[in-house]
Amino acid sequence: AQRVTQPEKLLSVFKGAPVELKCNYSYSGSPELFWYVQYSRQRLQLLLRHISRESIKGFTADLNKGETSFHLKKPFAQEEDSAMYYCALGATSGSRLTFGEGTQLTVNP
Amino acid sequence: GAVVSQHPSRVICKSGTSVKIECRSLDFQATTMFWYRQFPKKSLMLMATSNEGSKATYEQGVEKDKFLINHASLTLSTLTVTSAHPEDSSFYICSASRADANTGELFFGEGSRLTVL
Repeated sequence: AQRVTQPEKLLSVFKGAPVELKCNYSYSGSPELFWYVQYSRQRLQLLLRHISRESIKGFTADLNKGETSFHLKKPFAQEEDSAMYYCALGATSGSRLTFGEGTQLTVNP
Repeated sequence: GAVVSQHPSRVICKSGTSVKIECRSLDFQATTMFWYRQFPKKSLMLMATSNEGSKATYEQGVEKDKFLINHASLTLSTLTVTSAHPEDSSFYICSASRADANTGELFFGEGSRLTVL
């Protein structure tokens, strides 16, 4: 069974501080992991995926198969990063995704 | 970009009536669409996977006779909540994957809030 855990429902940091949103997963096969973001009053959108190994808006996430984690990090948080972040697990490309419960990030001025 | 549009964005209905929600991919073809339900301050719960031209695949615990899904074309999937009851009140979100890409990215609609009185 697929399972995604985001242990923090709320995370609050000050502008310029580092931020890490935790995500752990459970899956017996080879996982595909994603981070989706939902800004206030906007729809869910893809932030980044582990396959592309890219940095988007200063965010990075590394898949650690040993720890079954895919934590999202940014060295210097900005106020515009305030949003709801969802970690998601898929079995194959384009397949159904299992979402974590989300972490509401607030970046204070 | 790839845009997914849902309609209506909000709907209020009386208990016992049926409500249809549409999900359209505006500028791409979607062989697969997904329907989610989101409870307040909770995650997205996948209800069903909708494949164009075939029957939807429902997740465990989701009543297929209650939540009818039709995916008649590559750009349209519909979710009909039949004989709605107050406990069906929720935020319903659809997403779609592009038929011409294999990136795993899903494009989400803006969601439809259903309130059953």
